[in-house]
Amino acid sequence: QSVLTQPPSVSGAPGQRVTISCTGSSSNIGAGYDVHWYQQLPGIAPKLLIYGNNNRPSGVPDRFSGSKSGTSASLAITGLQAEDEADYYCQSYDNLSGRFYVFGTGTKVTVL
Amino acid sequence: QLQLQESGPGLVKPSETLSLTCIVSGGSISRNNYYWGWIRQPPGKGLEWIGSIYYSGSTYYNPSLKSRVTISVDTSKNQFSLKLSSVTAADTAVYYCARQISSGWTNFDYWGQGTLVTVSS
Repeated sequence: QSVLTQPPSVSGAPGQRVTISCTGSSSNIGAGYDVHWYQQLPGIAPKLLIYGNNNRPSGVPDRFSGSKSGTSASLAITGLQAEDEADYYCQSYDNLSGRFYVFGTGTKVTVL
Repeated sequence: QLQLQESGPGLVKPSETLSLTCIVSGGSISRNNYYWGWIRQPPGKGLEWIGSIYYSGSTYYNPSLKSRVTISVDTSKNQFSLKLSSVTAADTAVYYCARQISSGWTNFDYWGQGTLVTVSS
């Protein structure tokens, strides 16, 4: 049972904008800890997509953006493309009873 | 370019100990500001952090697995290892090793390709 909750799935047509929420609590996102996002294509290891709430590693298109507010964070994908169909996970730090590093429940993005 | 590669048995019997090694190439495991971690993903499910280690040997474990997990590092071989004892079918998963930022942000920036470990008699 993850401490970070994401919607199981989101979908959109090519070119549309979709957002994925990551809801935490006062012991993780609400405590000010950074949120990171990963993209996992089918059968492939996760890839870092966003770090430190809203920073993109080199090579990640600017179609991907992140934000954080209160106890939640969001990942936005603009100009949705077929290659964006994947699972997405948020990750943060939790200071409750040594939980340390926690992942979200994951969201499947489907391109219609 | 940093690369991580997991290795170890793909099949482990129930009640036995799962042992995996992650070989790091293209960079030193002894660099400051990085932890080295293990993450697992049961088939069709989400990611679960298992634990992380600093090159000095300091470790951090997921409390839900802490009683069964040991992570160690061998700087001379540029590798780190995972042992998970008393495994059950619930430990069947793809196991990933990854580099983790240790100061400031705590994200995992480089990942191995993952190795499937099945627990079955």
